[in-house]
Amino acid sequence: KQEVTQIPAALSVPEGENLVLNCSFTDSAIYNLQWFRQDPGKGLTSLLLIQSSQREQTSGRLNASLDKSSGRSTLYIAASQPGDSATYLCVKTSYDKVIFGPGTSLSVIP
Amino acid sequence: DAGVIQSPRHEVTEMGQEVTLRCKPISGHNSLFWYRQTMMRGLELLIYFNNNVPIDDSGMPEDRFSAKMPNASFSTLKIQPSEPRDSAVYFCASTSSGGAGELFFGEGSRLTVL
Repeated sequence: KQEVTQIPAALSVPEGENLVLNCSFTDSAIYNLQWFRQDPGKGLTSLLLIQSSQREQTSGRLNASLDKSSGRSTLYIAASQPGDSATYLCVKTSYDKVIFGPGTSLSVIP
Repeated sequence: DAGVIQSPRHEVTEMGQEVTLRCKPISGHNSLFWYRQTMMRGLELLIYFNNNVPIDDSGMPEDRFSAKMPNASFSTLKIQPSEPRDSAVYFCASTSSGGAGELFFGEGSRLTVL
């Protein structure tokens, strides 16, 4: 069974901290790994996409890495801000499946 | 491009009524997905189209749900008859490259069935 898990399920940090969100998947067959952000009552906003041939992608304070051999991806957020508070979901795309992780709920305290 | 466009954004209806949700994917995208999101079950894939053809509808809950994609720029998700347990946010998403490209989501349609 293909599964995507995310740890931790919830995280609360003070403003300014650097933090890491983890995503693990059981099947190494992968096209890409995508990270999304979802604010309460809103849709999903794409943050970063890592193709299977890539190891990481960066956008501003965000850096996502992909290690296919270990079935892991991490999302690193530098100098966190209250506006980063949201749910973060990782999504694994393979040939015939798009599988979502359950998400990590992040709260950045001012 | 305006992104994935969904309508209506909000719908409140009574049990037994027919509900039709609409989606316009990003131009040039050849894969379209319908998802349902609830607090209890998170995001669930309902159906996936590639080049307007349904590829995987194993997530469609029951015969009350049906989805169509008559052309590359339009898809509908219909619930008939609707039930209170269908209350959820329904998302449409599209991507290119048969699903290997970046996935883009619409803002969702929030359905409440009374």
